Amino acid sequence: DQQVKQNSPSLSVQEGRISILNCDYTNSMFDYFLWYKKYPAEGPTFLISISSIKDKNEDGRFTVFLNKSAKHLSLHIVPSQPGDSAVYFCAASGNPGGGADGLTFGKGTHLIIQP
Amino acid sequence: EPEVTQTPSHQVTQMGQEVILRCVPISNHLYFYWYRQILGQKVEFLVSFYNNEISEKSEIFDDRFSVERPDGSNFTLKIRSTKLEDSAMYFCASSEWVSTNYGYTFGSGTRLTVV
Repeated sequence: DQQVKQNSPSLSVQEGRISILNCDYTNSMFDYFLWYKKYPAEGPTFLISISSIKDKNEDGRFTVFLNKSAKHLSLHIVPSQPGDSAVYFCAASGNPGGGADGLTFGKGTHLIIQP
Repeated sequence: EPEVTQTPSHQVTQMGQEVILRCVPISNHLYFYWYRQILGQKVEFLVSFYNNEISEKSEIFDDRFSVERPDGSNFTLKIRSTKLEDSAMYFCASSEWVSTNYGYTFGSGTRLTVV
C-alpha cells in the first residue's frame, strides 16, 4: 500500500538546468509534506516542507509546489548543481499539529546532475 | 551544526540474538524517532518517543522491539530475537518542535546485518 509514490526511480539533468522531482499521494488526511535529500552512507537531510494550506513554498534554489486537488507535489531545483546529485525522498504527515506521528516516505528518486 | 549521532555504524548479529542500536539526539530536541530502510526499499517509520514514552508506533514495531532513553541523552532501539528480515539501515531522528514543518534531523544510520 503505497500512500506516497515517487514514480521516477531516477532522473538525469544537466547542470544549470531545472530539476523537477514529482510525488503523488493517495491519503487525503496528509496535511504536511516534506522533501529530504540523502547522500550515500548518510541519513536523510531535511530540505523543505509545505503545509496543505499553501500551494507553494520557496527556499533559495528549492521550491515545492502542492496541488491538493490532484494529490500531487513537486520539488523544483533551479539552477541544478553537481552537489544536488542525491536521492530525494518525498514524505507526508497526517497530523496537522503533531510531529509525534511518523512520516510516510516515498521510495525516492535518484537525481543525477550531469556536467 | 548540531548532529544526531548513531553508533555503531555497522552491526552484524546472529539470528535470534539481541541487538541494541544507540543514538544521541540533538540536546535540545524533545521528539525522537526510529526509522529503517531495507535495501532498495523506502524509509519506514518505526516509532516516535516523547516525554519518556512511546507516542506512536508502526506495525513493524512488534513486541521484539523496544526503545529507551536511559540517561537523558541516549536513545536506544533494542531488537530481541533478531530475524533475517530485520536486516536494514536503521535511522534515528530527532526534532525540537512538534510541528513537522521543520523536519527532522536524521543520524547517519546503523546498518544492521542479521546472519
